[in-house]
Amino acid sequence: DAGVTQSPTHLIKTRGQQVTLRCSPKSGHDTVSWYQQALGQGPQFIFQYYEEEERQRGNFPDRFSGHQFPNYSSELNVNALLLGDSALYLCASSLVVGGVTGELFFGEGSRLTVL
Amino acid sequence: GNSVTQMEGPVTLSEEAFLTINCTYTATGYPSLFWYVQYPGEGLQLLLKATKADDKGSNKGFEATYRKETTSFHLEKGSVQVSDSAVYFCALSELFSGNTGKLIFGQGTTLQVKP
Repeated sequence: DAGVTQSPTHLIKTRGQQVTLRCSPKSGHDTVSWYQQALGQGPQFIFQYYEEEERQRGNFPDRFSGHQFPNYSSELNVNALLLGDSALYLCASSLVVGGVTGELFFGEGSRLTVL
Repeated sequence: GNSVTQMEGPVTLSEEAFLTINCTYTATGYPSLFWYVQYPGEGLQLLLKATKADDKGSNKGFEATYRKETTSFHLEKGSVQVSDSAVYFCALSELFSGNTGKLIFGQGTTLQVKP
């Protein structure tokens, strides 16, 4: 049973560029959440997607956007990259039951470096 | 707003020593509390959780008790092993019960266990 898979694992961009990160949820899961983890810090919630819609959003600017596809996979897009966007981006999947999100399963992350 | 504060690391212990990692939180309502572990090169894994006051979460020899009166959720293990070396994150979710998919993490505590 495949867990949460993310791609790419590492990438390097320059300021002002745009990046797309991808996530495939664990089999049977229908919800994807994205987190940003700066070096030496805990993960910070970006947003959650359920039924192809953004359901919750953390304190991140509109440069951060996402999408969920009918097969429940998801993309995170970041526009106009800043040096401060350098971080590990984590995807977590879960299953919603009775309106409540179940246990989160995390992928290994995509390491973004902005030069 | 809601927040989680963990003791700063790194924590260095000898094998079979007793472990305590302190975690305190600030939250409105009745959050659920979690400990996640991140082994080198791997994604975050749920270690244990507690959903209401006085609940004790336990897994793999680790324990933590949800103390509403002291707003704490300290992680303990009676005898650590080298394989326990990892980064440990305390987290809370902002709902009356369960997990919304939006977790607030502490900054993480690195544990190094020496043989």
